[in-house]
Amino acid sequence: KQEVTQIPAALSVPEGENLVLNCSFTDSAIYNLQWFRQDPGKGLTSLLLIQSSQREQTSGRLNASLDKSSGRSTLYIAASQPGDSATYLCAVRGNNDMRFGAGTRLTVKP
Amino acid sequence: NAGVMQNPRHLVRRRGQEARLRCSPMKGHSHVYWYRQLPEEGLKFMVYLQKENIIDESGMPKERFSAEFPKEGPSILRIQQVVRGDSAAYFCASSPSGSNEQYFGPGTRLTVT
Repeated sequence: KQEVTQIPAALSVPEGENLVLNCSFTDSAIYNLQWFRQDPGKGLTSLLLIQSSQREQTSGRLNASLDKSSGRSTLYIAASQPGDSATYLCAVRGNNDMRFGAGTRLTVKP
Repeated sequence: NAGVMQNPRHLVRRRGQEARLRCSPMKGHSHVYWYRQLPEEGLKFMVYLQKENIIDESGMPKERFSAEFPKEGPSILRIQQVVRGDSAAYFCASSPSGSNEQYFGPGTRLTVT
């Protein structure tokens, strides 16, 4: 059974800092991995999708990497801004479902 | 192209009543997924449906919960005889055939009093 873990559970950084969020999963037989952002009281916003055959994806200040063999993904956020404050979720897609981590709650202080 | 729509956004039910949550997928999407987010917990998969078919319901509680995605109209997640533990945010996502990417709706927050 796939288990997804995100570390740390919460992170607070000053504005402008580069940061890395970690996601690990136990079963490397995945189709893809997706990073989401969740703002309080809102739905999920998809940030980056990495197919199992890919090693990384980039969008603006975000870069996500995938190492399937070791069961790890990282989300790198460059030059963080207060508007980046949110909960970041990683989700791993298996055969028919997606398994989510519990999320990392990020606070970027002005 | 409107995104995934869910209604109602907020739903309050008393214990023992029925809750019906609706999800309209994005235009052209034939796959729908339902997830539940309990307070202080991550999202958990419930059920995966295609038009008129349940593909995977391994995350659905065995009793009181059911889901459908008819040929016409939205997908419905139905919870009978709700209990306080059903209070959660319920998210729906959709994807087109042949794609792995899921697009999420804003969620329905169910409160059972």
